[in-house]
Amino acid sequence: GDSVTQMEGPVTLSEEAFLTINCTYTATGYPSLFWYVQYPGEGLQLLLKATKADDKGSNKGFEATYRKETTSFHLEKGSVQVSDSAVYFCALIAGGSYIPTFGRGTSLIVHP
Amino acid sequence: KAGVTQTPRYLIKTRGQQVTLSCSPISGHRSVSWYQQTPGQGLQFLFEYFSETQRNKGNFPGRFSGRQFSNSRSEMNVSTLELGDSALYLCASSLANTNNEQFFGPGTRLTVL
Repeated sequence: GDSVTQMEGPVTLSEEAFLTINCTYTATGYPSLFWYVQYPGEGLQLLLKATKADDKGSNKGFEATYRKETTSFHLEKGSVQVSDSAVYFCALIAGGSYIPTFGRGTSLIVHP
Repeated sequence: KAGVTQTPRYLIKTRGQQVTLSCSPISGHRSVSWYQQTPGQGLQFLFEYFSETQRNKGNFPGRFSGRQFSNSRSEMNVSTLELGDSALYLCASSLANTNNEQFFGPGTRLTVL
């Protein structure tokens, strides 16, 4: 079946450091890929998405590129802020499906 | 456009009781999904409703049930509560098309004592 694997957290960084959170997937067909963010005490919010190979999703300084050859969708940000501290979820929706498959989430902690 | 709303935000129940949680989707969204989130198991899919019918179902016991009304609002019910049901319950709505992203509510934090 479909699956999403994220790097284990927590990821701890200093402010202005470069961020990478790895995400790889297994799916049939051509899934759409998503990154969601969950701030403390809140639900998940869509951060960015990509719907086909080589697409780059971007939002709020975060970027991720749909790499079909490596089945990956790594999240990157050039300079993190304390306010980026949250849990990040990678997800996919396989072609023809209504329900996303989520990774386990990666906690990011940014220190001043 | 108003987001997904969930009520109540917090609940405390005792073992053996039952509970009903409510979710109002974004206007125009006809699909509503429910998830259970715990530190140990992560985010687990419960079920999805579309046009008042359960369209998809996760791997949860029959104590977990739901329904959707004609205005797309949804409720989920958990009967005979167990300690392990303590979790954040998230509702998400989306357009009816496949491959569409979901929009989440803030969740209901259920504590079972």
